[in-house]
Amino acid sequence: GENVEQHPSTLSVQEGDSAVIKCTYSDSASNYFPWYKQELGKGPQLIIDIRSNVGEKKDQRIAVTLNKTAKHFSLHITETQPEDSAVYFCAASTNAGGTSYGKLTFGQGTILTVHP
Amino acid sequence: NAGVMQNPRHLVRRRGQEARLRCSPMKGHSHVYWYRQLPEEGLKFMVYLQKENIIDESGMPKERFSAEFPKEGPSILRIQQVVRGDSAAYFCASSPLQLTGQGVGYTFGSGTRLTVV
Repeated sequence: GENVEQHPSTLSVQEGDSAVIKCTYSDSASNYFPWYKQELGKGPQLIIDIRSNVGEKKDQRIAVTLNKTAKHFSLHITETQPEDSAVYFCAASTNAGGTSYGKLTFGQGTILTVHP
Repeated sequence: NAGVMQNPRHLVRRRGQEARLRCSPMKGHSHVYWYRQLPEEGLKFMVYLQKENIIDESGMPKERFSAEFPKEGPSILRIQQVVRGDSAAYFCASSPLQLTGQGVGYTFGSGTRLTVV
């Protein structure tokens, strides 16, 4: 089955700096890669996702890059703010064409702390 | 437009009791997924259901755990004869039938935190 490794486990940055979280996956059939933000006591919230036919996707201060050959993908947060502090999870899934079934395999999570 | 609703938010059970966790998917979503999160770990897939059908239960322990998604009413994750190792946060997610092109369209609930004492 799929295995997703996420690094680093903790990341501490100063407000305004950039933060990068990296993930690798094992199953070359995986074609969908979402990133989730989880705040204390809450469920994971989707912040950005990318499909395997795209190399990069950006949404304001957040961007995700995908390298299919190397089987790794990364989350980039620019101009970090204290409210970005949370646990971030990467995940990988195989979507069979035409269905919405996507069992997600999650990374172990990264605790991001942004210091004011 | 209510999101995925899970209840209860917190559940305390003594060893040997039964735990029932409920999940109401978002309106229009017909697919439900259950995940378990142990402390300081990522989420682990347990089971995927459509209305009245279990599609994939490969992540569910073979004993004591069961799940259903009836034609009417919420999805239920049932844990019989709970043990301390069942203490975790259990999250439900739902998605629509059709892909939007933006991915699976997963929406997670806020979870049920089960504590077995």
